[in-house]
Amino acid sequence: GQNIDQPTEMTATEGAIVQINCTYQTSGFNGLFWYQQHAGEAPTFLSYNVLDGLEEKGRFSSFLSRSKGYSYLLLKELQMKDSASYLCAVYTGFQKLVFGTGTRLLVSP
Amino acid sequence: DTAVSQTPKYLVTQMGNDKSIKCEQNLGHDTMYWYKQDSKKFLKIMFSYNNKELIINETVPNRFSPKSPDKAHLNLHINSLELGDSAVYFCASSQPDRAAGELFFGEGSRLTVL
Repeated sequence: GQNIDQPTEMTATEGAIVQINCTYQTSGFNGLFWYQQHAGEAPTFLSYNVLDGLEEKGRFSSFLSRSKGYSYLLLKELQMKDSASYLCAVYTGFQKLVFGTGTRLLVSP
Repeated sequence: DTAVSQTPKYLVTQMGNDKSIKCEQNLGHDTMYWYKQDSKKFLKIMFSYNNKELIINETVPNRFSPKSPDKAHLNLHINSLELGDSAVYFCASSQPDRAAGELFFGEGSRLTVL
């Protein structure tokens, strides 16, 4: 089976740093992806990790540890527009991307 | 120019009716998908097609029938709608292999079954 877990909800303050964790147990692993979804909109791709370590992309970074089945998304210098759901997803192969339950992030002033 | 477009954006219909959602992508991608997002915002894969060929059918009831006339189009027809079919349906596309994890989503079609 596929199991991808994330916290349901997180809150943070503008300008702060927040870390959203994701743990996974999947049949097959070919990459870990993070998506952002604003309310009422489509998910949009943020980042991906295939190898262990940290990938940095501006204010967003993503980390992967394949041996631990663990990833996190780090958001720095939070802005109000970062209030959204963040979806962790595992590409298991053969055109199959499996999503986690998503973390709703609320950024307050 | 919209990369992945789906119509209609909203459908409201009665139980037992049949409805269709259309999807088109102009990105030149080989793979297209249908995902269902329920009220708890859980995004679940339903189908994927690669170059008009069905690759994934994720134990979706037979009432759901996808059709891909060419690699740029993937439509979804739903027969005998049930209350539990109410959800947002997202079409998406991607390149094959490793890049297949980077999906480009349409805006979604919100289906409400009364």
